[in-house]
Amino acid sequence: DARVTQTPRDKVTEMGQEVTMRCQPILGHNTVFWYRQTMMQGLELLAYFRNRAPLDDSGMPKDRFSAEMPDATLATLKIQPSEPRDSAVYFCASGLVAGAEKFFGPGTRLTVL
Amino acid sequence: GEDVEQSLFLSVREGDSSVINCTYTDSSSTYLYWYKQEPGAGLQLLTYIFSNMDMKQDQRLTVLLNKKDKHLSLRIADTQTGDSAIYFCAESSMDSSYKLIFGSGTRLLVRP
Repeated sequence: DARVTQTPRDKVTEMGQEVTMRCQPILGHNTVFWYRQTMMQGLELLAYFRNRAPLDDSGMPKDRFSAEMPDATLATLKIQPSEPRDSAVYFCASGLVAGAEKFFGPGTRLTVL
Repeated sequence: GEDVEQSLFLSVREGDSSVINCTYTDSSSTYLYWYKQEPGAGLQLLTYIFSNMDMKQDQRLTVLLNKKDKHLSLRIADTQTGDSAIYFCAESSMDSSYKLIFGSGTRLLVRP
């Protein structure tokens, strides 16, 4: 049963600390998305990779956020330094480029104190 | 830019049909989606429709697309308490590199 996996599932950290979230896309998928979900803003697209290359990261605060795909089986989203306003659920999703189906992982719930 | 709008809340009685509505602005939309999110969980892809279709049926789910009015709906027949969740409408297009643009979600409450 192929699915997107994310680690950690929950993360509590203090302001100023570095946070790294990881995502394993479904094997064979060549597009990866990072979304952030908050009550106020809903689902926001942070970054989008195609064939491991960043295609769109316009939704991501560049001063503290960075996203990478070191290889086809791993995507990372890093926040350094973290701030309380970064508290949210971060979702990863994967799919094929022009394919209809995009599948989401279970999310990482981040709390920054 | 692209925009997707949904009503915030819908309450129905168990056994009734639910209809969740969505409007979008991108006239070049290729795919339109319905995702379901239960509390504390990720987004589950329920169904999607190609923009050149006007209807798709999958068991209790019926999707209707009015491309002229840019209106999408999801009908859930015989709604069950397990259908209580937030339902997100989303669209993607080749023009926007197939990224998903989401609505704000409709919270469906099914009353026993």
